[in-house]
Amino acid sequence: AQKITQTQPGMFVQEKEAVTLDCTYDTSDPSYGLFWYKQPSSGEMIFLIYQGSYDQQNATEGRYSLNFQKARKSANLVISASQLGDSAMYFCAMREGTTGTASKLTFGTGTRLQVTL
Amino acid sequence: DSGVTQTPKHLITATGQRVTLRCSPRSGDLSVYWYQQSLDQGLQFLIHYYNGEERAKGNILERFSAQQFPDLHSELNLSSLELGDSALYFCASSASGTPYNEQFFGPGTRLTVL
Repeated sequence: AQKITQTQPGMFVQEKEAVTLDCTYDTSDPSYGLFWYKQPSSGEMIFLIYQGSYDQQNATEGRYSLNFQKARKSANLVISASQLGDSAMYFCAMREGTTGTASKLTFGTGTRLQVTL
Repeated sequence: DSGVTQTPKHLITATGQRVTLRCSPRSGDLSVYWYQQSLDQGLQFLIHYYNGEERAKGNILERFSAQQFPDLHSELNLSSLELGDSALYFCASSASGTPYNEQFFGPGTRLTVL
């Protein structure tokens, strides 16, 4: 089974509007971390936001917020006031476990976001 | 700029050859991770080193090997290259070996095998 599922291969949003990128995950480990990364056309991976499984509040970083619904195993990224520079590929990723041996990131297939005028 | 450096940025080589990709982590980071991004496999974890020791292995082929040196830089060696090894190879670093620290990615090395 897919550990990280991103069901939206592509999304369009108008400039200044908000957009939600979906991510669901599958794990039986009570300790895990969820990450969102942005990959512009230039190729680099840019860390956006992190949510820990025990965090009580949803994470926020500037225009980015994470809508964490633990019971539903979803960790959707919300981008408010979209800008043209937000056009990129967005990846959701999960890290399971609490030991140093369980430190890899498992990535979803990504969502390509296009911001239009 | 994440603070993680990777060289070279681009690499074009032929099948059967061997290449070495180099990564310098952010200052102070002890953990180095290698990932491969290809069109058919997506982003896949290859291997994790912490302070010179291998900590975890993912879908890394036997033709591939890695090491982390005392100065904490890391090298990924790819040998007997095949067309399917063409991909973007990322190195990432984090502050420690525990799971909750975010990984910062380098710019990647784009490998093309002809």
